[in-house]
Amino acid sequence: AQSVAQPEDQVNVAEGNPLTVKCTYSVSGNPYLFWYVQYPNRGLQFLLKYITGDNLVKGSYGFEAEFNKSQTSFHLKKPSALVSDSALYFCAVRALNSGNTPLVFGKGTRLSVIA
Amino acid sequence: DGGITQSPKYLFRKEGQNVTLSCEQNLNHDAMYWYRQDPGQGLRLIYYSQIVNDFQKGDIAEGYSVSREKKESFPLTVTSAQKNPTAFYLCASTPLTGPGYYGYTFGSGTRLTVV
Repeated sequence: AQSVAQPEDQVNVAEGNPLTVKCTYSVSGNPYLFWYVQYPNRGLQFLLKYITGDNLVKGSYGFEAEFNKSQTSFHLKKPSALVSDSALYFCAVRALNSGNTPLVFGKGTRLSVIA
Repeated sequence: DGGITQSPKYLFRKEGQNVTLSCEQNLNHDAMYWYRQDPGQGLRLIYYSQIVNDFQKGDIAEGYSVSREKKESFPLTVTSAQKNPTAFYLCASTPLTGPGYYGYTFGSGTRLTVV
């Protein structure tokens, strides 16, 4: 079975400071990993994905994530947070060889960037 | 512009009433998905379809029904059997081949409230 854990319901960070939103996963075999962002009363927007290759993935709005196979983690990072980054962030996973099974999402982490 | 359109944006349901949420995409995507979002619970899969006239139950299908008569359309009916339907409903789609295969495109959501 596939699963995703986002251990923090809420992350608070001061504007200009680096931010990290944590994600760990469990799949059989190699994973496809994703980060999405959601603004209030909106759908999810794609930020970045890891499929294969370089463990450091760069995405939209200056975000990046590092795939760590030994720790089964895919933490989202940004060097300098903006107030406009405040939103709900979701990590998602699917096994590489699972056919076309749907993505499994974490419960989300609310990021609050304080000016 | 291509995308997914969900309607209505807000929907109110009386006790014992069936309601249908619309999801239309013009992306020529093969697969479509319905997720339910509740605070603190992340996204939970209701139903999905990978081909016309075929669909599969997700984790929380009870009290819901779907159809996939056209590739572009995947409506969700919330029946009176769903005892706690108040939630935010998200539709998503993805191709099953090609470079866009790896991620979902989401609609803007429908907020359903029981009155």
